[in-house]
Amino acid sequence: DVQLTQSPSSLSASIGDRVAITCRAAQSISTYLNWYQQKPGRAPKLLIYGASTLQSGVPSRFSGSGSGTDFTLTISSLQPEDFATYYCQQSYVIPRYTFGQGTKLEIK
Amino acid sequence: QVQLQESGPGLVKPSETLSLTCTVSGGSITNYYWSWLRQPPGKGLEWFGYIHSRGSPDYYPSLKSRVTISADTSKNQFSLRVNSVTAADTAVYYCARTAHHDSSGNDAFDIWGQGTMVTVSS
Repeated sequence: DVQLTQSPSSLSASIGDRVAITCRAAQSISTYLNWYQQKPGRAPKLLIYGASTLQSGVPSRFSGSGSGTDFTLTISSLQPEDFATYYCQQSYVIPRYTFGQGTKLEIK
Repeated sequence: QVQLQESGPGLVKPSETLSLTCTVSGGSITNYYWSWLRQPPGKGLEWFGYIHSRGSPDYYPSLKSRVTISADTSKNQFSLRVNSVTAADTAVYYCARTAHHDSSGNDAFDIWGQGTMVTVSS
């Protein structure tokens, strides 16, 4: 299985801040990496797939980058609705999909 | 638009079988893979397995011995069974569409059900 480690585990930021969340894979996974946003009591929502492609309908303030073992989700200017938990997920080894442990983004 | 809805008992006794169904509306279950995932309270996401309407299911190795996923194209539904449940199986269970992106070769869970909480307790 491919282990994914996210950092930080939690993060406090203010409206308008630029934030970055990283996901490190235990082995190279090319660009087979997706990002999800989950709000309390809700299902996860796909934000980015293939490391950098924005899912339809997702605001352009979200962006993804990286390849190999190191990936980053960046939010360019935090909005109130962005406070949530974010997960990365790999699809390099199929069907053995795995997720990172999550990063909780809170209001400072 | 495609929507998914999980249904099934919210309480299951230890050692019994957990059974859930996901009903797909607004589109056909053919031509896609359909997954089950779960999230224990306060914890992260775990993928169980998936099925294609025209193929055999495939499962995460550590769960394979207890899990069965099946599909009913006539009802546009797919189902999950987990045998011999314990308290560790208490979680929110999600069904999700698994989309394959030809441009990147990447698979992602692009549409999710709202989730259903299943508690294992006597």
